[in-house]
Amino acid sequence: QVQLHESGPGAVKPSETLSLTCSVSGASISSYFWSWIRQSPGKGLEWIGYIYYSGSTNYNPSLKSRVTISIDTSKQKFSLNLTSVTAADTAIYYCASSVERGMATVLDYWGQGALVTVSS
Amino acid sequence: QSVLTQPPSASGTPGQRATISCSGSNSNIGRDSVSWYQHLPGTAPKLLIYNNNQRPSGVPDRFSGSKSGTSASLAISGLQSEDEADYYCAAWDGRLDGVLFGGGTKLTVL
Repeated sequence: QVQLHESGPGAVKPSETLSLTCSVSGASISSYFWSWIRQSPGKGLEWIGYIYYSGSTNYNPSLKSRVTISIDTSKQKFSLNLTSVTAADTAIYYCASSVERGMATVLDYWGQGALVTVSS
Repeated sequence: QSVLTQPPSASGTPGQRATISCSGSNSNIGRDSVSWYQHLPGTAPKLLIYNNNQRPSGVPDRFSGSKSGTSASLAISGLQSEDEADYYCAAWDGRLDGVLFGGGTKLTVL
């Protein structure tokens, strides 16, 4: 059974960097797409970006200048860094995978989500 | 502002059929397949439909999807109280060069 679990600080100060890690079990991270999605309070789901197992990435243009997604296949983990955060980046951050069908828009498995609050 | 347009809300009574629409354009739904997700607050979103009308194993056949041109729909028959959730469509967008989610539809089972 594929399981994903987000971890990282629950609070970040404005202008600092938000860093989250997603730990993967039950599937090899050396395949398919690995994505980050977020949901701000009272809003819908927003795609942040994905990393392909080979290391190639694709980011939401609205966040591209501030986002980096990386992967560590040896540790079965992938990570999100979002720089220069503001209150607008307060959200539940989800990691998700496309293990079953190998398509970036088909997110088969999701983590439970990590709430990150940006506040001084 | 999402370019996949969903109605903000939908409703139905137990046993009825509810339909949720997702309107896009030639750069997304018109050129690629649609997925649907169910999201209950406080839980992880769940994949309901992929490739427009395919159900992952474990998803009841009460859930069905369809696509025509630049629009897609999710239908839920035999509504149950546990179907009360937010529903999102998603598709690849060629102009964005990325994944687009619809704005979401809150389904209420009256």
